[in-house]
Amino acid sequence: GAVVSQHPSRVICKSGTSVKIECRSLDFQATTMFWYRQFPKKSLMLMATSNEGSKATYEQGVEKDKFLINHASLTLSTLTVTSAHPEDSSFYICSARDTGTQETQYFGPGTRLLVL
Amino acid sequence: QQQVKQSPQSLIVQKGGISIINCAYENTAFDYFPWYQQFPGKGPALLIAIRPDVSEKKEGRFTISFNKSAKQFSLHIMDSQPGDSATYFCAASLGYKLSFGAGTTVTVRA
Repeated sequence: GAVVSQHPSRVICKSGTSVKIECRSLDFQATTMFWYRQFPKKSLMLMATSNEGSKATYEQGVEKDKFLINHASLTLSTLTVTSAHPEDSSFYICSARDTGTQETQYFGPGTRLLVL
Repeated sequence: QQQVKQSPQSLIVQKGGISIINCAYENTAFDYFPWYQQFPGKGPALLIAIRPDVSEKKEGRFTISFNKSAKQFSLHIMDSQPGDSATYFCAASLGYKLSFGAGTTVTVRA
């Protein structure tokens, strides 16, 4: 089946530092990947759509200078939280859309970010 | 505003019982309706999905019923097991974007 991995699974950092989260599609190519944020006991909130070889598309209200997205290959997208603050603490989940089937999004296991 | 409305927020069912989760949408342009299962601290996993030209789809103990005229769809979990205890999200897709429901926490009592 389609597998999406994320690294790291958990990260703790100090306020003001930057954190990079990687999202990889392991057994399929994904021209489009998505980054979500999920608060405790809440639904997933789409932050941005990452397109291979082009700029990401951010949802309204998401600061693109704070959440830098790079999609350098068909199997890797990265999210960098720049100058992280405690309010950025959250569960970040990526998903990848199988270029072959075009309709199904497969989700990664998520990254728990805690900013102290 | 939330494009997909999901209910109930939570439900408790006895082992062997049927869990039913309902979702409603407004945008008739949605063309793909997946359901995801999420365990605490994990990412959502695709459970089952349906397209609007089909009224029902069954995979094992999981069944989606789709009512296009009412703009509603539901997930039925038959013979619920304690391992089914999780949060379930319905979603609707327009192009490549997914709109998620608020989620339903299902607890299966042994």
